[in-house]
Amino acid sequence: AQSVTQPDIHITVSEGASLELRCNYSYGATPYLFWYVQSPGQGLQLLLKYFSGDTLVQGIKGFEAEFKRSQSSFNLRKPSVHWSDAAEYFCAVGASGGYNKLIFGAGTRLAVHP
Amino acid sequence: NAGVTQTPKFRVLKTGQSMTLLCAQDMNHEYMYWYRQDPGMGLRLIHYSVGEGTTAKGEVPDGYNVSRLKKQNFLLGLESAAPSQTSVYFCASKAGTLLSTDTQYFGPGTRLTVL
Repeated sequence: AQSVTQPDIHITVSEGASLELRCNYSYGATPYLFWYVQSPGQGLQLLLKYFSGDTLVQGIKGFEAEFKRSQSSFNLRKPSVHWSDAAEYFCAVGASGGYNKLIFGAGTRLAVHP
Repeated sequence: NAGVTQTPKFRVLKTGQSMTLLCAQDMNHEYMYWYRQDPGMGLRLIHYSVGEGTTAKGEVPDGYNVSRLKKQNFLLGLESAAPSQTSVYFCASKAGTLLSTDTQYFGPGTRLTVL
């Protein structure tokens, strides 16, 4: 069965520190992978997505993610975190089929200390 | 360009009451989705639609009904609300292709509490 695991429920980093959020997926075919961010009280905004080609994907707000097929991972990174990055981050895999639903992980809540 | 909008933003219901959540998109998207978000569980698909006049069940459809009478609108109904339906509901839309790579655009959410 298709699934997405985000091992870290909550992460706290200091402003200016680097960040890595983990995502592991289980999917039989070539996965289409997404990272979304949800700021408090807001909807979900797409940060980046991977579907083919270069395994290092650049996104908005200075985020990047690396697809590693051998590890079934799609970890999100940022070299220097800003206080405004405090939010909840969701990894998702796009399932194949006629309606292309997204399968989401449980999310990782990021807190940023000044 | 409003994108995806949801009405209402907040609602409190008593057990057994009914209500309808409205989702509207102005991007001429074919595909529309209703998700619910619960703590520690991410988003789960309730129902979806691949075009005007079509609807189908997702992962957690029980207790909900949907309608897509107009392409731009997707309604989610609760006929008899239960406390287990307390959640945040998100609507999303996507262009009408079979590509899983297309981005789903999300609305701001509706926070529903059932007492």
